[in-house]
Amino acid sequence: QQPVQSPQAVILREGEDAVINCSSSKALYSVHWYRQKHGEAPVFLMILLKGGEQKGHEKISASFNEKKQQSSLYLTASQLSYSGTYFCGTELGNTDKLIFGTGTRLQVFP
Amino acid sequence: DARVTQTPRDKVTEMGQEVTMRCQPILGHNTVFWYRQTMMQGLELLAYFRNRAPLDDSGMPKDRFSAEMPDATLATLKIQPSEPRDSAVYFCASGPPTGAYNEQFFGPGTRLTVL
Repeated sequence: QQPVQSPQAVILREGEDAVINCSSSKALYSVHWYRQKHGEAPVFLMILLKGGEQKGHEKISASFNEKKQQSSLYLTASQLSYSGTYFCGTELGNTDKLIFGTGTRLQVFP
Repeated sequence: DARVTQTPRDKVTEMGQEVTMRCQPILGHNTVFWYRQTMMQGLELLAYFRNRAPLDDSGMPKDRFSAEMPDATLATLKIQPSEPRDSAVYFCASGPPTGAYNEQFFGPGTRLTVL
């Protein structure tokens, strides 16, 4: 039931782009994305709802393919501050209950 | 700047001892979540409440864990007796009244070490 994220880890130079994928075996109501820096709490990035609505940071974009039960997070022109572990959280119904994915560790170097 | 607060931030205890973790959700938020994070299992939902009522505690080992909300400003997670396998970071998160966008705001976590 836990969504699978890919890749597990990404290493980038500043300014490069990355895509992080999240795949579920079940139909989804929404997908949430969070970033966690080492030793800190997860921080909300974005929510994507069934039907196309979304809310999130201006500099981060994402997509949600309901039929494929997949979501992708697009990080463009990466900055050092983007480093951290990215988690997707999937919601199966309108319950607020999230099942978090396995995480993708992103490191951005100068 | 509204934040979720958790106490204690760090707890070291011996196997068999009782552990109580506390969380103060953001004022006005009516949904409270308890998560456990380990390297092996990742971020797991233990239990969550809405308007102080438990909605789901299926992720919690019932024989030793209990979660309550004595009032709207306090949530507690208790482990009795604690075991070394309970060592983890425990996060509390709160969310605003349910709407289309139900983002969760995480507290700083309680790092628990059971020896």
